[in-house]
Amino acid sequence: QVTLRESGPALVKPTQTLTLTCTFSGFSLSTSGMCVSWIRQPPGKALEWLARIDWDDDKYYSTSLKTRLTISKDTSKNQVVLTMTNMDPVDTATYYCARIEGGDWWFDPWGQGTLVTVSS
Amino acid sequence: QSALTQPASVSGSPGQSITISCTGTSSDVGSYNLVSWYQQHPGKAPKLMIYEVSKRPSGVSNRFSGSKSGNTASLTISGLQAEDEADYYCCSYAGSSTSYVVFGGGTKLTVL
Repeated sequence: QVTLRESGPALVKPTQTLTLTCTFSGFSLSTSGMCVSWIRQPPGKALEWLARIDWDDDKYYSTSLKTRLTISKDTSKNQVVLTMTNMDPVDTATYYCARIEGGDWWFDPWGQGTLVTVSS
Repeated sequence: QSALTQPASVSGSPGQSITISCTGTSSDVGSYNLVSWYQQHPGKAPKLMIYEVSKRPSGVSNRFSGSKSGNTASLTISGLQAEDEADYYCCSYAGSSTSYVVFGGGTKLTVL
């Protein structure tokens, strides 16, 4: 059974850097074709794709957020980390991680999500 | 404003069929057969319902089907059930020259 769980601070201040961790089980990021993505959803709004990291360490970023995002993996710990710099109140959202299988571009399954609020 | 356009809401009675449209451009939906659909109940994580335009993951009811024509993808739910009431999001690969992945704005399905 594949599961993913996001963790990180619930509250960050404007201009701070956010670090989120996705801890997963049921698959390995050292297996060819396996990838993990981050997606976020502001309260009451639509989903927005953020980043992806592949088994071979290839990385992909949203064009609009590329300068603020860094994605990395620790295969031995079954974890993927996303950092987002210079946080702003508009970044308040539920942040999800999700698996991609076969190197394609659909997400299954998703973690439960973690709500991050940006406020002073 | 989302990159893919969906109706804000649709509704139907139990047993009926409904279709949710997802309109993109020739750079995303029109260029790739990489459209996926997600169901999201309130307070829950999204769930994959359709991938590669029309394929259903294991465990998803065959009442859910997907299709594409030109720059518009569609999700059809037949035999509507109360449990289908949820938000639905379409998603498409958009290539490396844009932001790789674009989502729709979401459609609220109400089962009357």
